[in-house]
Parts: sequence; structure tokens; C-alpha cells
Amino acid sequence: AQTVTQSQPEMSVQEAETVTLSCTYDTSESNYYLFWYKQPPSRQMILVIRQEAYKQQNATENRFSVNFQKAAKSFSLKISDSQLGDTAMYFCAFTSTGANSKLTFGKGITLSVRP
Amino acid sequence: EAGVAQSPRYKIIEKRQSVAFWCNPISGHATLYWYQQILGQGPKLLIQFQNNGVVDDSQLPKDRFSAERLKGVDSTLKIQPAKLEDSAVYLCASSLDRGAGYEQYFGPGTRLTVT
Repeated sequence: AQTVTQSQPEMSVQEAETVTLSCTYDTSESNYYLFWYKQPPSRQMILVIRQEAYKQQNATENRFSVNFQKAAKSFSLKISDSQLGDTAMYFCAFTSTGANSKLTFGKGITLSVRP
Repeated sequence: EAGVAQSPRYKIIEKRQSVAFWCNPISGHATLYWYQQILGQGPKLLIQFQNNGVVDDSQLPKDRFSAERLKGVDSTLKIQPAKLEDSAVYLCASSLDRGAGYEQYFGPGTRLTVT
């Protein structure tokens, strides 16, 4: 069974600074997808960024980028130029490939951006 | 494009009562998911539908939970009888098709409190 671990329950960052959220996972699969989801207070969960395990290049979406270390089974999210709107819970998630794949989420981390 | 709709947004019931949640996915999305998100944890998949058929219900407590998607569009999740430990946010999500390559879009959730 796959597991996703987010060991930091909460973090805080000053507006305009950079913050990195950590995630580790465990799997015996060789190909899979990793995701970071954002859940703002009282708002719905949205996908921030996705990484396919067979791609060596780290995914980037504007201010969001990942550091994917396949051998170490590590998948961290870097948020550059933090904005107040980045305040939210962030969940790391894993899914194997295949038609019957399902998302396994970590416990999440609460990120607060200070003005 | 309208997002995933859920109702009600909030529900408070006493233990042993029954409750039902409704979800309307994004138009044209074949795959529908129900997740349970207990406070302080990541979402856990309860059941996955592909059109009107069940793909995965391995984590659904079938003695008290049931779900249906009769016409392959909207879906209802029911709990009967409710227990205190069912207090959680119930999230509905949909995707164009099943498989890791298809992004899941989440609804706002229904927050259930069982007293």
C-alpha cells in the first residue's frame, strides 16, 4: 500500500518570501503521479501542480515548483514570492497509473502568509 | 463552466439519525468520487463511480454508508445510522474519465457534525 507523509503540521512565511513544504511517500510502483493540492479556508480544493514519476524534469507552474527526488521518495513544493492568497492547507497526494488508480493524500500542512 | 455542486453545505444531526448528501458533477464527467475528510487529516476515498457503476468502494463502511449514481450524473451519499466518528467534511469530486492522467475537480464539501 502507498503512504504519503507530511511531517510539518504548519508553517508561516512572510509575504514575498519563499517557502518549501515537504512530503515523502512510499511505494513499490515504478510509475506514478504526485500532486500538490491547495485547500483555502472554507473554499474548495484545487490542484496546484502535478509531477509524473517518469519525467526527470521538475514541474513548474508560475510561482510554484517542485523538487522531485525519486530515489529518496521525496516531493517538496516551493512557493516563491508568497502572497496572502497562498494562505491555505496544502496536501501532497499520490496515485499509481492505471484505470483504477486512486488518490492517497497526506495529512496536510497549514501555511500562513504574514503581511 | 460550472464546477462540482454539493448540498447541503452544513448539516448537524444526532447520533443514530440518518443523513443524505447530494453531488452534481461537472457536465460530461464520467467519473465521480466521494471522499471523507476528518479534521486534521487528508481526504480518504469512500467510493468511486464510473458512469453509473461502482469502480471502488473498498473503504466504504457498507453497514451504514450507501451511495448511488443511478443515471450516471448526480450522486447521493447516505449515512444510516450516523455515529459520532462520522463527523467530517464529505467531498465530492469528478473527472472527465478515470485514471491518473485525469484531473479531479472538487466541490465545496458538506460539513457534517454528529452530536
